[in-house]
This record gives sequence, C-alpha cells and structure tokens, in this order.
Amino acid sequence: TQLLEQSPQFLSIQEGENLTVYCNSSSVFSSLQWYRQEPGEGPVLLVTVVTGGEVKKLKRLTFQFGDARKDSSLHITAAQTGDTGLYLCAGANTGNQFYFGTGTSLTVIP
Amino acid sequence: DTAVSQTPKYLVTQMGNDKSIKCEQNLGHDTMYWYKQDSKKFLKIMFSYNNKELIINETVPNRFSPKSPDKAHLNLHINSLELGDSAVYFCASSPLVSSDTQYFGPGTRLTVL
Repeated sequence: TQLLEQSPQFLSIQEGENLTVYCNSSSVFSSLQWYRQEPGEGPVLLVTVVTGGEVKKLKRLTFQFGDARKDSSLHITAAQTGDTGLYLCAGANTGNQFYFGTGTSLTVIP
Repeated sequence: DTAVSQTPKYLVTQMGNDKSIKCEQNLGHDTMYWYKQDSKKFLKIMFSYNNKELIINETVPNRFSPKSPDKAHLNLHINSLELGDSAVYFCASSPLVSSDTQYFGPGTRLTVL
C-alpha cells in the first residue's frame, strides 16, 4: 500500500481567507487527483495532474504536482462556505490503481 | 438521472449475518470498483472489475465476495458480518481500466451491531 499523508487533517477558517492543503508521499505516482466529498455523498473529482511541476487552476482553486511526482498541494483563494467538505488526494501507480490520502476536512465559517 | 447508484443507502444488521449491497451504473463504463471508507474517512480500494472480470483484489477477507452479472452492475456480498465491517462502502465506475476519471456512487453506510 502506498501511503499518502495529507495535512492538515482538520482546518477551520473564516470565509474570505486563503488556505493550502498538502498531500505527501515517499512514492512516485504517474498521476495525482484531488476530490471533494460532501457529507452523505461520494467523492467528486476536481482535477487530475500528470506532469511533474504541473499547475492547474479551477476558478479559486490552484493545484500543483511536485516536480518529483511524490507530492501535491491544493490552494484555495478567498474561501467560501460552499468550499466546506472533505478533500482527498489520490495517487495512481503505473497500473492505474489509485491510493487515497488520509483526507483534510475543511470547514469555512461565514 | 443517477449515474452510479447504490442500494441500500443505510444497512443496520447483527453480527454474523450475511448481507448484500448493490451497485448499478448507467454511464456505459467498462470498469467498476468497490471502496471502503472507515470512520476516519480513509478510503481504500477493495475490488475492481473490468467487463465482469476481476482485475484488482486488495487484501480483503474472503467473507467479501463481489459479483458482476453484467458490466453495468457490481454487487458486494458479505458473509458473517463482523463489528469491524462497519463503514461506508462506495461503488465507483470509470470508462476504461486505464481511465483516470472515476465516478462514485452515494455510498452505503453499513452498521454492524
């Protein structure tokens, strides 16, 4: 099992603040995904990054894949209450099997 | 128009019972998965099927037996339920084995008493 550690595990911030969530591993991944999961629902894919050093933007969300393809970060600018949820990273090995991270529970307070 | 559906949504049962969870996808995908999410929200793959054939079988007790009658359905049968089986079970599907886009169902919360 390839372990992906996410930090922080829990994050509570005020609306309008910025935040960064980290996903770290000692393993190299062929691609890495970020999901958001809301209570009572399944995870929903936000983005996939495949190239070391790649940066992708999705409105106020910025995703970066580490140069060595072992880590990733998710930065949210001007957080909104709708951003509240569980954020999961998932790394794919060469067999395209995905290993999920330990999760970051984000609460945005109005 | 539900893409990936699971039944039941909630399942409460006694230790030692046998139960099944059903999953259906109407996306025309070739690959389906079962994941287990524990109380700490850690999501771990259990099984993966491609066109009704098992391709991934993680270290899961043999009390868990997936069955795929056709490529749109992947059911999970659990024998002799144990307290540690309590979790949320998610079904997912993707277009191809090599596809990186997985679509998850809403989950089934299993509670073993």
